[in-house]
Amino acid sequence: AQSVSQHNHHVILSEAASLELGCNYSYGGTVNLFWYVQYPGQHLQLLLKYFSGDPLVKGIKGFEAEFIKSKFSFNLRKPSVQWSDTAEYFCAVNAPMNRDDKIIFGKGTRLHILP
Amino acid sequence: GAGVSQSPSNKVTEKGKDVELRCDPISGHTALYWYRQSLGQGLEFLIYFQGNSAPDKSGLPSDRFSAERTGGSVSTLTIQRTQQEDSAVYLCASSLGRGPGELFFGEGSRLTVL
Repeated sequence: AQSVSQHNHHVILSEAASLELGCNYSYGGTVNLFWYVQYPGQHLQLLLKYFSGDPLVKGIKGFEAEFIKSKFSFNLRKPSVQWSDTAEYFCAVNAPMNRDDKIIFGKGTRLHILP
Repeated sequence: GAGVSQSPSNKVTEKGKDVELRCDPISGHTALYWYRQSLGQGLEFLIYFQGNSAPDKSGLPSDRFSAERTGGSVSTLTIQRTQQEDSAVYLCASSLGRGPGELFFGEGSRLTVL
């Protein structure tokens, strides 16, 4: 079965700093990969997703993620963060060709941006 | 409705009581998930319904937990003989179907077991 590992549990950055949140998954076959975000007091929403094609995926609010198959990774990046990016970020994976195609989430990374 | 609706939004119960949490997914969405969110544990998968297929119950933590989905729409998560460790936010999400479809989440049901 697939699983997801997020390396950073809590990240604190100053505004304008660059961001990279790590995500690794374990599954040898075809995968769909997702990043979801939960802003304070709000419900989870999709930030970006990869399912095929260009491994560099661009999402909302200037976020991007790169799928590196050889490293089983899908790290989230943003060149310059804003205070409004303070949120919890979740990486997720599913295996669409597998009968077991449920979406599994990592434990999340709490991002705190200092103004 | 416009989004995924969950009720109750908050539930406080005593240890040993049974609770039912309800999820009304977006109309037409065939996939429905229940997750549990607690501090430090992220989003823990509980159960997955996809169309008319048998549900994937592999994430249910014990036999005190069960869920059903009636008519391919509304789902109810039942926790029997609640324990303090069951305290968490229970999230429901739905999507159009298999594949890389976006999950739409409800606001969650916060359960507190005293």
